[in-house]
Amino acid sequence: GQNIDQPTEMTATEGAIVQINCTYQTSGFNGLFWYQQHAGEAPTFLSYNVLDGLEEKGRFSSFLSRSKGYSYLLLKELQMKDSASYLCAVKDSNYQLIWGAGTKLIIKP
Amino acid sequence: ETGVTQTPRHLVMGMTNKKSLKCEQHLGHNAMYWYKQSAKKPLELMFVYSLEERVENNSVPSRFSPECPNSSHLFLHLHTLQPEDSALYLCASSQDPSSGVNEAFFGQGTRLTVV
Repeated sequence: GQNIDQPTEMTATEGAIVQINCTYQTSGFNGLFWYQQHAGEAPTFLSYNVLDGLEEKGRFSSFLSRSKGYSYLLLKELQMKDSASYLCAVKDSNYQLIWGAGTKLIIKP
Repeated sequence: ETGVTQTPRHLVMGMTNKKSLKCEQHLGHNAMYWYKQSAKKPLELMFVYSLEERVENNSVPSRFSPECPNSSHLFLHLHTLQPEDSALYLCASSQDPSSGVNEAFFGQGTRLTVV
């Protein structure tokens, strides 16, 4: 079966760095997405990785290792507004998105 | 004007009611999706329409009936729902789902409660 695993909840301190991991087993791979979802709001696109390596976009970076079936989202200089759920999703061989259950990130002052 | 708009934002319905959820996208995309989001569970893909034709139906109960009259509008018709159908229903759109990089844009969802 297809599966995406990510931690249910994480806590970090304002100004610090946090890494949210995602491991996947899917039938085929056509890219990995990270989305941010604030409570009661729509998920919004953060990043896309299809090749191994690190993609940096401001305070957020995303890393992919296809051989290990592994990705992480790195958030630097954490701000209170970064409190949200972070969703990992993989496009399989049929270009269907397979989703993780999301990681709820709590930022404390 | 937001990219993907869903109405209503909140809906409470009895198990014998019939209601419809509406989604509209203003992004010129050619694919639209319905997802179900339950607490602490992965997003569940319910239906996909590409170029107004249904291309995916992931064994969704017949009490959920989608309709896509054109590439900008998507409906989800609901009838005789069960309490376990209570969830957040999200609509999304994208350009050409068979291209890897095209990300989905989501509406803010309809919070459905079945009583």
